[in-house]
Amino acid sequence: EPEVTQTPSHQVTQMGQEVILRCVPISNHLYFYWYRQILGQKVEFLVSFYNNEISEKSEIFDDQFSVERPDGSNFTLKIRSTKLEDSAMYFCASSENPLGPQHFGDGTRLSIL
Amino acid sequence: SQQGEEDPQALSIQEGENATMNCSYKTSINNLQWYRQNSGRGLVHLILIRSNEREKHSGRLRVTLDTSKKSSSLLITASRAADTASYFCATATSGANSKLTFGKGITLSVRP
Repeated sequence: EPEVTQTPSHQVTQMGQEVILRCVPISNHLYFYWYRQILGQKVEFLVSFYNNEISEKSEIFDDQFSVERPDGSNFTLKIRSTKLEDSAMYFCASSENPLGPQHFGDGTRLSIL
Repeated sequence: SQQGEEDPQALSIQEGENATMNCSYKTSINNLQWYRQNSGRGLVHLILIRSNEREKHSGRLRVTLDTSKKSSSLLITASRAADTASYFCATATSGANSKLTFGKGITLSVRP
């Protein structure tokens, strides 16, 4: 069964550094998302992306965050200047249809020191 | 507002028993979805129920939706140790470009 893959599985970064989290969505999916989950808390929506542009973003997704689909397969989340509170699991997801089931990767654990 | 609040927060049952998990939400929805998350892994979609549906089945899963009470329940019948995981309900709202709003989740432990 096709999967969403995320790399790296764990990223440790110094506060203030830039980090790029990478995702390869399922190939025939058109809708892409990033969510985060702080340890012990609920999964929070960050951003949705369709047709090469952001469809919706949450309050968390401020100017420090950006997303890009640099080629036909990758979907990236960049945090420009990381803060301690950015430490979380970041999940990428994709779906065939809006409002339909979303397929999640196994996440990238981001640790900010 | 907090969309998708599940209860109980934790549930421990014996293998073979049924597990019932509840979810409440606050706004109008297009559909409600249930996901499972094994420790250290991503979320896996289990079942989707649309706002005009009342009940849906998939294997050992049965989900109900009561839009008048803004609540849903997930029933896992004849539970197995492999069902041990966290379960989340998530709501999808029309016009919101498919954003899912998750609850805090229920930790299910199935004792062999």
